[in-house]
Amino acid sequence: AQKVTQAQTEISVVEKEDVTLDCVYETRDTTYYLFWYKQPPSGELVFLIRRNSFDEQNEISGRYSWNFQKSTSSFNFTITASQVVDSAVYFCALLGESQGNLIFGKGTKLSVKP
Amino acid sequence: EAEVAQSPRYKITEKSQAVAFWCDPISGHATLYWYRQILGQGPELLVQFQDESVVDDSQLPKDRFSAERLKGVDSTLKIQPAELGDSAMYLCASSREGGRGYGYTFGSGTRLTVV
Repeated sequence: AQKVTQAQTEISVVEKEDVTLDCVYETRDTTYYLFWYKQPPSGELVFLIRRNSFDEQNEISGRYSWNFQKSTSSFNFTITASQVVDSAVYFCALLGESQGNLIFGKGTKLSVKP
Repeated sequence: EAEVAQSPRYKITEKSQAVAFWCDPISGHATLYWYRQILGQGPELLVQFQDESVVDDSQLPKDRFSAERLKGVDSTLKIQPAELGDSAMYLCASSREGGRGYGYTFGSGTRLTVV
């Protein structure tokens, strides 16, 4: 079975704090893709990053960084020096080679307070 | 940047009425998806099209929901009759090659409220 677990339902931080959003996935596929999406209050899902199962290299993009560890089936997302504009719901998603569509976690609501 | 267009943005309807949502995917994207997102949850797939053919509608409540993509381009999702539990965000997405390696592009969604 394919599954994505985001154990943190809500996180609240003060501006400039670092915050890590956890994502654990389950799949029997050897080839799969992992994604993070951001959903601001307006509702649209904004693509942040894609990783395939053969690329465990961590990635940094500005204040965002992602830590992919196959050994623990985790794909965690860190925001450094958080800003109020980072407030949103963040979704981790999985697309396995044997499945036809994205499976999402339940999301983590991040609130960044000034 | 190319976008997935959805309309209407918001819809309020009374229960037992019919409601329809429209989606125009990115040009050239053969795969189209309709997802439903209940408040506080992640999106869940309702139906997936490859061109004009349904690939997966296993989670579509077929007694009241229908979806079509007649010419393999834009798509319509219909609910008849609407029930209170259908209140949710309905998201359309499209992708090339099933999304592998490219991911999906989502529209802004239609927020449905059934009263």
